[in-house]
Amino acid sequence: GNSVTQMEGPVTLSEEAFLTINCTYTATGYPSLFWYVQYPGEGLQLLLKATKADDKGSNKGFEATYRKETTSFHLEKGSVQVSDSAVYFCALSKPGTNAGKSTFGDGTTLTVKP
Amino acid sequence: NAGVTQTPKFQVLKTGQSMTLQCAQDMNHEYMSWYRQDPGMGLRLIHYSVGAGITDQGEVPNGYNVSRSTTEDFPLRLLSAAPSQTSVYFCASSYSLTGVGYEQYFGPGTRLTVT
Repeated sequence: GNSVTQMEGPVTLSEEAFLTINCTYTATGYPSLFWYVQYPGEGLQLLLKATKADDKGSNKGFEATYRKETTSFHLEKGSVQVSDSAVYFCALSKPGTNAGKSTFGDGTTLTVKP
Repeated sequence: NAGVTQTPKFQVLKTGQSMTLQCAQDMNHEYMSWYRQDPGMGLRLIHYSVGAGITDQGEVPNGYNVSRSTTEDFPLRLLSAAPSQTSVYFCASSYSLTGVGYEQYFGPGTRLTVT
């Protein structure tokens, strides 16, 4: 079946540090890949996505590239801010009738200190 | 657009009680899902629906029922609450174009405690 493996947390960084959160997946075919962010007490919201190999998703300074050869979708940001402190989830969804459900990683908690 | 709404935000039940968690979306999305979030376990799919009148089980369906009579609404029923169902519950909706999966839109969640 499908699975998503994320780098274990928690991750603690100082403001302006470089961030990488690793994500690898197992799935047949050509899934779509997503990063979601969850702020305390809120639901998940989409951060960025990529729907085919070599696509790069980007938003709010975060980037991730869909690498089919390594089945990876690592999240990066060049300079984190305190406001980036949140839980980050990597996820995939398959096309067709399974398009409406996603498989999520366990989440990585990021804390950014001033 | 209100997006995805969920009620209630918080609920405390006693073991054996039943209740319904409400979920509605106003984006005309075909797909809707229920997830539960437990510490260290990410989100696990309970049930999902690909359209009105069509539902299917997810990863952890036991103890939960769903129905989808309209595109907008997707309630989750707990038949006889157990402490193991203490969790945060998220409803989500989604759509697809030409079969490609797109992102989920999440509600704010319901925090359920079963004593």
